[in-house]
Amino acid sequence: QKEVEQDPGPLSVPEGAIVSLNCTYSNSAFQYFMWYRQYSRKGPELLMYTYSSGNKEDGRFTAQVDKSSKYISLFIRDSQPSDSATYLCAMSPAHSGGSNYKLTFGKGTLLTVNP
Amino acid sequence: GAVVSQHPSWVICKSGTSVKIECRSLDFQATTMFWYRQFPKQSLMLMATSNEGSKATYEQGVEKDKFLINHASLTLSTLTVTSAHPEDSSFYICSARPVPPGGETQYFGPGTRLLVL
Repeated sequence: QKEVEQDPGPLSVPEGAIVSLNCTYSNSAFQYFMWYRQYSRKGPELLMYTYSSGNKEDGRFTAQVDKSSKYISLFIRDSQPSDSATYLCAMSPAHSGGSNYKLTFGKGTLLTVNP
Repeated sequence: GAVVSQHPSWVICKSGTSVKIECRSLDFQATTMFWYRQFPKQSLMLMATSNEGSKATYEQGVEKDKFLINHASLTLSTLTVTSAHPEDSSFYICSARPVPPGGETQYFGPGTRLLVL
């Protein structure tokens, strides 16, 4: 079993739709959870960053973490064609001195929002 | 805030030459920088982790003599692909982890596309 599972899609939705992107994970030590957006031929851009369980909202984006289920989600409201990109989930355990702070990534979900 | 730059953005070189890629954190200091490689339609593959002033830690299967990493300051890391060959052609992306309090996240550069002829 991979540490982080993410459906690669592709996912195609009409403009204005609510998009739900998800990742599951197996390592219960993960405490920090991130969502990155990557446009074609560009570096990933940090969208959302959460610690432990709970919800976090930023504009049209909402991130949810359910540690009991080892499940994280990213919701995009009122999706726009400019949201078309690959979305990567990433996570990391809590660290103490001497750790190397590596992130574990999902494979990414390719999203297309059609006008 | 939290901007990371990479230079060059793309490079074409002949087989056997060496190529240096710079990664800079522009508006924050980074205790740790990371180098990734990404093939088309695939996720990021971590190559190595570097801490300022110390030797890089390479992932299994990554040749440290092939991919030389120097992290000379809290805002600059360089990756040198030595004696590049066509199979080294790829998209190389760096990221930087801010000094605390920055959490555990990483901010990515825009990437460098390398084509070895």
